[in-house]
Amino acid sequence: KNEVEQSPQNLTAQEGEFITINCSYSVGISALHWLQQHPGGGIVSLFMLSSGKKKHGRLIATINIQEKHSSLHITASHPRDSAVYICAVRRTNEKLTFGTGTRLTIIP
Amino acid sequence: DTEVTQTPKHLVMGMTNKKSLKCEQHMGHRAMYWYKQKAKKPPELMFVYSYEKLSINESVPSRFSPECPNSSLLNLHLHALQPEDSALYLCASSQGANYGYTFGSGTRLTVV
Repeated sequence: KNEVEQSPQNLTAQEGEFITINCSYSVGISALHWLQQHPGGGIVSLFMLSSGKKKHGRLIATINIQEKHSSLHITASHPRDSAVYICAVRRTNEKLTFGTGTRLTIIP
Repeated sequence: DTEVTQTPKHLVMGMTNKKSLKCEQHMGHRAMYWYKQKAKKPPELMFVYSYEKLSINESVPSRFSPECPNSSLLNLHLHALQPEDSALYLCASSQGANYGYTFGSGTRLTVV
């Protein structure tokens, strides 16, 4: 079993829909990161969380440390949100452990 | 400057070639990373440099040789690669444990 599990693996939705991507982890962490990767490869760091909730524009990320679970929400989804969303956890050293990613496709 | 710049963006090399990948950041970040990413897989950590010193080597084959000449620059020297080494090579930097990461756009490497 992977230390970081994401669901769903693939998600297709209509433009405007509310999107939720889930991440569960099984190890102690110092922080959890949500990353976005577009086709072509570049990765953008969306959020770093160690507790609670963060919001940036239409994106909201939450984390429940006790339940070892985090969610990424996208409100009013748009085709430009189509990308792979990756959850990664940082333990006490320099290493990030990545989930396998959620491929999101927003249809106009 | 809030970017990590990687060059070249694309590289095709033969199995007997020697080439280098370059990564540069001017944000004063003290940690720099090399990741390898195969298609439809998450990135895999290769090396971590902290304060210009190699702090993590994830048992990477010696045909990959990292170098950190100064706090802004990270190189990955490639020699005698195999076709299975074809991948996207990503560089990232971070200010430290309580900070986020900044990733470069990657070098897409093809070994022929």
